[in-house]
Amino acid sequence: GENVEQHPSTLSVQEGDSAVIKCTYSDSASNYFPWYKQELGKRPQLIIDIRSNVGEKKDQRIAVTLNKTAKHFSLHITETQPEDSAVYFCALRAAGNKLTFGGGTRVLVKP
Amino acid sequence: GAGVSQSPSNKVTEKGKDVELRCDPISGHTALYWYRQSLGQGLEFLIYFQGNSAPDKSGLPSDRFSAERTGGSVSTLTIQRTQQEDSAVYLCASSLGGKTDTQYFGPGTRLTVL
Repeated sequence: GENVEQHPSTLSVQEGDSAVIKCTYSDSASNYFPWYKQELGKRPQLIIDIRSNVGEKKDQRIAVTLNKTAKHFSLHITETQPEDSAVYFCALRAAGNKLTFGGGTRVLVKP
Repeated sequence: GAGVSQSPSNKVTEKGKDVELRCDPISGHTALYWYRQSLGQGLEFLIYFQGNSAPDKSGLPSDRFSAERTGGSVSTLTIQRTQQEDSAVYLCASSLGGKTDTQYFGPGTRLTVL
């Protein structure tokens, strides 16, 4: 099945700095790329998503970029705040409706 | 409105026992998914229901795992003869059913097999 590689596995940044998480995939049929945030002990929640006909999408301090040729997509968080500390998962949908998730990135924002 | 709910929130069982986990999707959502999340790991797809279509069972790890969705709403995930490696958080999600519709997750059931 589809495989999604997510890097880095952990990311420590100073408050106010930017954080970037990258995911790579192999199936060119992938057409939907959501990002989920999971705080400790809580359920994953969608923070932003992008579809294959768009190269970039932004929502306040969060942006996602997609390079379909190179088969990678990235999450960018600017002006990080302590409440951004969480585990972030990329995901994609290829054939069928199920999502395949990356392994997650634990982000720690140091005040 | 109400989100996805799951019960129980925690389940401790002995190795070899059967367990049933329940998921109540968001009203009107035709698609329902089960995922498994082991400690510190990502989410592993288990099974997917869409309306009256045959479920996609391609993620079920063994024949000890099965799931039903009655009346197109509530779903039950059953694990027979539980093993210690089944210990994980089992997450349910639902969506409106379109290919790019957002999946909304429930709070999960934490299963511990002793």
